[in-house]
Amino acid sequence: DSGVTQTPKHLITATGQRVTLRCSPRSGDLSVYWYQQSLDQGLQFLIQYYNGEERAKGNILERFSAQQFPDLHSELNLSSLELGDSALYFCASSVDSYNYGYTFGSGTRLTVV
Amino acid sequence: AQKVTQAQTEISVVEKEDVTLDCVYETRDTTYYLFWYKQPPSGELVFLIRRNSFDEQNEISGRYSWNFQKSTSSFNFTITASQVVDSAVYFCALIETGTASKLTFGTGTRLQVTL
Repeated sequence: DSGVTQTPKHLITATGQRVTLRCSPRSGDLSVYWYQQSLDQGLQFLIQYYNGEERAKGNILERFSAQQFPDLHSELNLSSLELGDSALYFCASSVDSYNYGYTFGSGTRLTVV
Repeated sequence: AQKVTQAQTEISVVEKEDVTLDCVYETRDTTYYLFWYKQPPSGELVFLIRRNSFDEQNEISGRYSWNFQKSTSSFNFTITASQVVDSAVYFCALIETGTASKLTFGTGTRLQVTL
């Protein structure tokens, strides 16, 4: 157990729907990162939050949004889902933005049908 | 911009063979960090090693060893006496200090170890 908890582990939904992925970081970690792993794009950085504030944005679609709550857990919201959004979504956490070591959760496998 | 290249898409070896996974990186920063992660068939990403740009000392940990060479911008990973349980996808990754600690991954090398 890495200490980073992601729920749900698997999600199957239809096109056009909206889903929320949840991440609880490792105790004491202030930064949360979201990554998308798809077959054609590899591991892509989506967004980073640090202590509740957005710190960096990557290749995140406008249909996607995220937030980090006061208790430091984070949610990634995916809306108007398309078949191409099917992927493994990872959350990772670290102690601070320059602690060069992420701990990854086990991921949420999203399948859009 | 930072970039990580893993030219080997897939490697197949027989158990007990040694295998080296190549990683070449590009960065304009003088301070950066390099990582290797393992992704077994179960899907999770497992941290293996971190190395900063000021520490070129190579490291050995059990059957694993890493060779960091700034002169060639390479950070190669060797598994000695490979085992079936080593079968996984291995990712090399890079963080530059000026990028809000965004981890940039290579495309991964799939290692298949057979009996």
